[in-house]
Amino acid sequence: GQQLNQSPQSMFIQEGEDVSMNCTSSSIFNTWLWYKQEPGEGPVLLIALYKAGELTSNGRLTAQFGITRKDSFLNISASIPSDVGIYFCAGQENFGNEKLTFGTGTRLTIIP
Amino acid sequence: EPEVTQTPSHQVTQMGQEVILRCVPISNHLYFYWYRQILGQKVEFLVSFYNNEISEKSEIFDDQFSVERPDGSNFTLKIRSTKLEDSAMYFCASSLTRAFYGYTFGSGTRLTVV
Repeated sequence: GQQLNQSPQSMFIQEGEDVSMNCTSSSIFNTWLWYKQEPGEGPVLLIALYKAGELTSNGRLTAQFGITRKDSFLNISASIPSDVGIYFCAGQENFGNEKLTFGTGTRLTIIP
Repeated sequence: EPEVTQTPSHQVTQMGQEVILRCVPISNHLYFYWYRQILGQKVEFLVSFYNNEISEKSEIFDDQFSVERPDGSNFTLKIRSTKLEDSAMYFCASSLTRAFYGYTFGSGTRLTVV
């Protein structure tokens, strides 16, 4: 099946630093989504991307849909303690598909 | 903000027992999903449900699994005879349109099979 690989697997950063993570696939996705998951909770949608090359922001978060449609990155600027969690990319292969394929996740830890 | 509600939050069951996980999707949503997440791993698709029937399912969703929308508000996942490897967080999700715009996930049910 489809595989989405995220890097890095985990990050330890100081409060105030910028964060960058990415997601790559061996095949094309038509939609890329970024979710955040906090302990004991379900994933929460952060950003959705629909067109190759699209760059979208949501507050301190910025994400881009790669030109090849096989990758996406998420940046978080000026990190704060509540940014702690696991960030997952997810892709939808075809517009008619129901399922999302999730990435392996990037665990973000903020060092005070 | 509308929520997807899942009950129970944690269920412990003996191997071989049947379990039913319950979900109340957002009221005007039309598409319903179950996903699972084994501890420390990624979220995996199980099944999608639309118009009172399964629209897509994964290889994980074998004959031991079934879904039902018994009334206008609940959406259930039944595991007929649980195995140890069914231990995971199970997330229900719903969306107004197809997956295109992303889903709203519930907080999950942690299923522990002993």
